[in-house]
Amino acid sequence: GAVVSQHPSRVICKSGTSVKIECRSLDFQATTMFWYRQFPKQSLMLMATSNEGSKATYEQGVEKDKFLINHASLTLSTLTVTSAHPEDSSFYICSAKSTGRRARTDTQYFGPGTRLTVL
Amino acid sequence: KQEVTQIPAALSVPEGENLVLNCSFTDSAIYNLQWFRQDPGKGLTSLLLIQSSQREQTSGRLNASLDKSSGRSTLYIAASQPGDSATYLCAVSGYSTLTFGKGTMLLVSP
Repeated sequence: GAVVSQHPSRVICKSGTSVKIECRSLDFQATTMFWYRQFPKQSLMLMATSNEGSKATYEQGVEKDKFLINHASLTLSTLTVTSAHPEDSSFYICSAKSTGRRARTDTQYFGPGTRLTVL
Repeated sequence: KQEVTQIPAALSVPEGENLVLNCSFTDSAIYNLQWFRQDPGKGLTSLLLIQSSQREQTSGRLNASLDKSSGRSTLYIAASQPGDSATYLCAVSGYSTLTFGKGTMLLVSP
């Protein structure tokens, strides 16, 4: 149980286009979802925290107009990278915290990640 | 601000060796600590979760310890195998977020 999926797993896009990444909790409801970014050989860096039905909270230095987060339901959050540039190329990972009915509430369950390459 | 450091950054051992990965954190006010495994280009697999009130957790050949007062955790891998080759990440949970270390890249050679 407690499976989180991400789609797509890989995406290549041209500079200036927008890319949407989906994060879904498959068998539990997630009160909170998190978006991380990981550069090569670096640790995961938290970008933003989103709670269902409310605006996301962004970490310092993360542009909210560039990285649009929508947490429309208890099982789905989306990250849209707007007007992507090569420096946005990275590995994006989402995680979800359970409401407690079908998974632990003190644990973040991680998706498999999305590799974004901007040409 | 919480900072997590992992030592060593990389480790290469022959198959069968027992090994220890180290993790230290600056703020001891934590809820729990997790060890993850990450294969190249893949997401995270949770290995062990230690609550702040616990001292250690075991799963198969893995044993993780936590000394909250000194801000340290270790991951012990017994009888290492080539399939253990991966990057191991330590993450500390604060009130609402996780702070990750940069990881230890482990290579176990046959």
